[in-house]
Amino acid sequence: EDQVTQSPEALRLQEGESSSLNCSYTVSGLRGLFWYRQDPGKGPEFLFTLYSAGEEKEKERLKATLTKKESFLHITAPKPEDSATYLCALNSGGYQKVTFGIGTKLQVIP
Amino acid sequence: KAGVTQTPRYLIKTRGQQVTLSCSPISGHRSVSWYQQTPGQGLQFLFEYFSETQRNKGNFPGRFSGRQFSNSRSEMNVSTLELGDSALYLCASSLEGVGTEAFFGQGTRLTVV
Repeated sequence: EDQVTQSPEALRLQEGESSSLNCSYTVSGLRGLFWYRQDPGKGPEFLFTLYSAGEEKEKERLKATLTKKESFLHITAPKPEDSATYLCALNSGGYQKVTFGIGTKLQVIP
Repeated sequence: KAGVTQTPRYLIKTRGQQVTLSCSPISGHRSVSWYQQTPGQGLQFLFEYFSETQRNKGNFPGRFSGRQFSNSRSEMNVSTLELGDSALYLCASSLEGVGTEAFFGQGTRLTVV
């Protein structure tokens, strides 16, 4: 059975203090790994899709990387507006199945 | 372009009642999937519809059902509500299905009392 584990569950950073969020997974045949951002009371917002080990994608202060067993979301010099819950999800076995992690709640303090 | 619209935003029901939630996807998207989100379980996949056909279903009891109309709008129904059904229900639309980039609505907050 596909499994997605995110760590840490919660992270508190000072503004400008860079860090990484982890998403480890076990899956038979990864077809894609997704990162989403979710603000309180809202639906998740798509950030990145990674398809193969070694792939990297960047967007503003965020950079996502992928290995065969885990993905990292690196946050460089975060700002308070980066505070949100970051969700990792993976797709296996075709278009019809996706498994989400519980997420990492990030708080960036001014 | 308009995003995914879910109605209603908030709902309070009593145990034993049934409820219907609605989701209007982004124009041109044929896939609509539904999720239940709770603090302890995270996002749990309910089912996905593509061009009016249910393509996949998660591990939820038969009390949870859905359908999709020819204009891609989708409804989700929960019958015989239980206290444990209290959750945020999210729908997501995409061009090709749940395994591709998905756009989520703001969700419907269901409270069962």
